[in-house]
Amino acid sequence: QSALTQPPSASGSPGQSVTISCTGTSSDVGAYNFVSWYQQHPGKAPKLMIIEVTKRPSGVPDRFSGSKSGNTASLTVSGLQAEDEADYYCSSYAGSDRLVFGGGTKVTVL
Amino acid sequence: EVQLVESGGGLIQPGGSLRLSCAASGFSLSHYWMNWVRQAPGKGLEWISNINSDSGARNYADSVRGRFTISRDNAKNSLYLQMNSLTDEDTAFYYCARSGHYTLDSWGQGTLVTVSS
Repeated sequence: QSALTQPPSASGSPGQSVTISCTGTSSDVGAYNFVSWYQQHPGKAPKLMIIEVTKRPSGVPDRFSGSKSGNTASLTVSGLQAEDEADYYCSSYAGSDRLVFGGGTKVTVL
Repeated sequence: EVQLVESGGGLIQPGGSLRLSCAASGFSLSHYWMNWVRQAPGKGLEWISNINSDSGARNYADSVRGRFTISRDNAKNSLYLQMNSLTDEDTAFYYCARSGHYTLDSWGQGTLVTVSS
């Protein structure tokens, strides 16, 4: 099972928006609406930010939003804040009770 | 509050074995699928294994199948990962994570496994 493809980096100024893509195949991202996004600060455990493509778990700011088109999912962070600087990972259900992750995107707040 | 605490990591020689543990609190482990995810230093996340609530189903990534075994003890609210035939490519932080609906909704802080001679 190959990893999902994410850009290695993305950046934006405070208050701006940044969008991260996550490209898979018709066997994972394209097949299921079970894409999640995780935020990871240095030295910390990942934190769940988006589930089922578009849903935010309790406590996640509405500045974070998700979408999907075909085999590509996206995470948009609007109104960038300094604390949003982190690594972001997508994951998708890949069938047969398995998950696959993306390679991660480092978001820098300029 | 949901808490997952991993233990058992350390320095191990290539070819060696190690058993990781994950102690769960704040919820009943018996109600959830559980997972192990690893992250090599400076690298991305890699899902490596999961197990269903009654241990009747276990899945592995190709990279660890045949060498790693996931298990659980619901009475002790604990998850385990037995790792054999370790290589330097297994050097990573190992996280246990609780399954939500096709997602991982709670994570431990991780335990570092270093495979080196």
